[in-house]
This record gives sequence, C-alpha cells and structure tokens, in this order.
Amino acid sequence: GAGVSQSPSNKVTEKGKDVELRCDPISGHTALYWYRQRLGQGLEFLIYFQGNSAPDKSGLPSDRFSAERTGESVSTLTIQRTQQEDSAVYLCASAIDLSGGRRDTQYFGPGTRLTVL
Amino acid sequence: AQSVTQLGSHVSVSEGALVLLRCNYSSSVPPYLFWYVQYPNQGLQLLLKYTTGATLVKGINGFEAEFKKSETSFHLTKPSAHMSDAAEYFCAVRPGGYQKVTFGTGTKLQVIP
Repeated sequence: GAGVSQSPSNKVTEKGKDVELRCDPISGHTALYWYRQRLGQGLEFLIYFQGNSAPDKSGLPSDRFSAERTGESVSTLTIQRTQQEDSAVYLCASAIDLSGGRRDTQYFGPGTRLTVL
Repeated sequence: AQSVTQLGSHVSVSEGALVLLRCNYSSSVPPYLFWYVQYPNQGLQLLLKYTTGATLVKGINGFEAEFKKSETSFHLTKPSAHMSDAAEYFCAVRPGGYQKVTFGTGTKLQVIP
C-alpha cells in the first residue's frame, strides 16, 4: 500500500490477556518506530528499529512489552498480561533511511486503539 | 535529555483569524524540530520541519514556523484560519544525530465560524 498500515484498528481485551499489534511500514523504509498515545497526552516513544535490529528500546515501559521486526518489513508489538493502564492508541511510523533531513520524516499509520477492561 | 512544551492544550480562533500555536523545547545539541497535525481518526501527518539553514520554515496548508534559538521556541503560525484547520497539532524535537523523537502533549485547535 501507499502508506503505513496497522492492524487491528481497534482491540478490546480483558486484563491479563496478551495482545499483538501489527505494523506494515511503507515499502523500502528501513526505520520503524512505535509510540503510545494515552488519552489527553502526547506521544510516548516506545522503540525504534533500524532494519531488523532495535538499537533503542529505552521507551518500553516494562518487560511486559516487546517488539520484533522481520524481513525489514512487518513489526509486531506484543503486550503480555495487559493492564488497564496499557489502554491507549499505539502508533507506528516508518522512515526512509537516507543521510540528511529525509531520514527525519516519519510517516505515521492510523494507530491501533487498545482498550483493556 | 530533550523535552517539548506546548502551551495551551486547547486553542480557539475565529475563522480568518491568526493561528498561533506555541512550542518551546530543550535539547543539549542543535535540534531538528517538527510540527505534525492529527485530524480526527487519522494518523499524524508532517506539517513542516526544521533541520538546518533558514530558520523560517514553510509547510503545507499555509502553515509556517520560525526556529528561534535564543528563545528555544518553534511556534507554528498561519495568517488566516480555515475551518479545515481544526485538528490536534504536535510539536516534536529530535536532537541532531539521534533517532529518538520527543513529542509535546499536543494542542487542539478549534476554529469558530
């Protein structure tokens, strides 16, 4: 597709369940980012991938959160044993990895709205 | 560590009036600065960015922003608001050479007819 896609668009789960959120970046974009946006708050950086490796995992809030990326394409964010405070919109962005300013333009997907009951 | 402060979580302007959304940042190294817009139920879209060079940056939809190093500011302006400008706007900073982008908490712009 032409843009970043995320699935599912909405996910309702019960506390304690595991969830997987998927991001399909723009083809050819080697950089991929995950963010969390809680209601009424700004974007919170979670993790950044360069290719299939994650040089910066500093934003993952706990060991219940993990992410992987394969084939320099699809990425999956997994939240284990979900808690109510995990309820948020999870946004994925991708960027083309070139020198100079073009690396900085992140293209965002529409997000996955996660509700933990 | 870098940070971004957006003054005013909600801003209301009349159609045709000046739009001014404020953003102040802190960064230990020269920053790259961004403004993103998020329309309801849509993803974030880049409005404009400053990396190096000219400090007045023009973006899409008639928006512009000026990087003022002495004031550590990157305020977003538009001379005349349109109804279609109603959205949430996010300022972001990325210290040059680093990948992590820090976003502000956002400002919701309401345009009154």
